[in-house]
Amino acid sequence: SQTIHQWPATLVQPVGSPLSLECTVEGTSNPNLYWYRQAAGRGLQLLFYSVGIGQISSEVPQNLSASRPQDRQFILSSKKLLLSDSGFYLCAWSVRNRPRGAGVENEQFFGPGTRLTVL
Amino acid sequence: AQKITQTQPGMFVQEKEAVTLDCTYDTSDPSYGLFWYKQPSSGEMIFLIYQGSYDQQNATEGRYSLNFQKARKSANLVISASQLGDSAMYFCAMRNPYSTLTFGKGTMLLVSP
Repeated sequence: SQTIHQWPATLVQPVGSPLSLECTVEGTSNPNLYWYRQAAGRGLQLLFYSVGIGQISSEVPQNLSASRPQDRQFILSSKKLLLSDSGFYLCAWSVRNRPRGAGVENEQFFGPGTRLTVL
Repeated sequence: AQKITQTQPGMFVQEKEAVTLDCTYDTSDPSYGLFWYKQPSSGEMIFLIYQGSYDQQNATEGRYSLNFQKARKSANLVISASQLGDSAMYFCAMRNPYSTLTFGKGTMLLVSP
């Protein structure tokens, strides 16, 4: 079965410090990968998505970046954190190129999340 | 651009009663998919139900059903026989052309004994 891991689970960082959040998926290959951020009491905002190694698409311009060094690894980074970067970061994966009619299209499976507080 | 609107910030329901959570959407894409996710206080996102734009029947999954009204662009979630464990945030989402999801702002559901 497929599983998705995120670490760390909780992080408190000072403003201006770097950031690295890691997400890995097991039990599948060639997944689409996604990073979302959820601010307190808000919905999810898509930050980045990736359809393959080294292929990253950014949805929102900001001081965050993402990388996909391996097929099932997705990393969210920042060189200098801002207060506004605080939030709950969720990684997700979906089956790539699932044929239409093959059931739920592009259902996304979410990781447990990382709660980031920037002070 | 695609947009999801959830107009109910919070809903209250008594245990064993049914509740409807509203979701309206806007898209120019003739083919789309609509999702509902549940997020308990632990933060995990749990997939509940899916409706494809070409599906002839409303989706159902156990106690969850989706009241899909395509002409009105609404995809309301109906939870029958509410349970205390249903208390959570509920998000409506739409699949984008590049397989990403656009989420609504969510509805907090509280189920009381």
